[in-house]
Amino acid sequence: GENVEQHPSTLSVQEGDSAVIKCTYSDSASNYFPWYKQELGKRPQLIIDIRSNVGEKKDQRIAVTLNKTAKHFSLHITETQPEDSAVYFCAALYNTDKLIFGTGTRLQVFP
Amino acid sequence: DVKVTQSSRYLVKRTGEKVFLECVQDMDHENMFWYRQDPGLGLRLIYFSYDVKMKEKGDIPEGYSVSREKKERFSLILESASTNQTSMYLCASSSGGSNEKLFFGSGTQLSVL
Repeated sequence: GENVEQHPSTLSVQEGDSAVIKCTYSDSASNYFPWYKQELGKRPQLIIDIRSNVGEKKDQRIAVTLNKTAKHFSLHITETQPEDSAVYFCAALYNTDKLIFGTGTRLQVFP
Repeated sequence: DVKVTQSSRYLVKRTGEKVFLECVQDMDHENMFWYRQDPGLGLRLIYFSYDVKMKEKGDIPEGYSVSREKKERFSLILESASTNQTSMYLCASSSGGSNEKLFFGSGTQLSVL
């Protein structure tokens, strides 16, 4: 069935360190994989996305990688800052119309 | 900037009440979605709509219905609220086609007592 697994559920890092969040999806036909960031008390907002014809995409300190064969994709945040603290959700597009989300990762960056 | 507005930030209802959650978007988006957010469960899709008067079930439609009489408005209806429907409800919209980016509302925290 349609499923997106996300790990870890919580992640604590020291400011300046890197953070990696991993997701797996179940439908090999999925071709779009966005990442949303939700700060405390705010709405989720898209921070980066990747399509299945690309293996990696970078935007300043954040990058996403995709392994279609293994059906894995990951979010990488380098040089973390306290303002990166938030809940991060991965998602995969199913049947070209439904975005199915992972269960979220709470990232805490300690100064 | 796209604006997705949910009518209530907090709502308290009693078991068995009929509850309406309203969502309006101002960018002429084709697609609208209702998700519920629960700790440890992420965002789960309840219903979505690609056009006026059409609707599709998401992953957890039981106990809910929706209405889309106008393009800009998508309503979520709890016919008879139950305590297990206590949750944060998030509405979202997207322009559709090859643009899947979702714009979320600020959410409605519903408590059913």
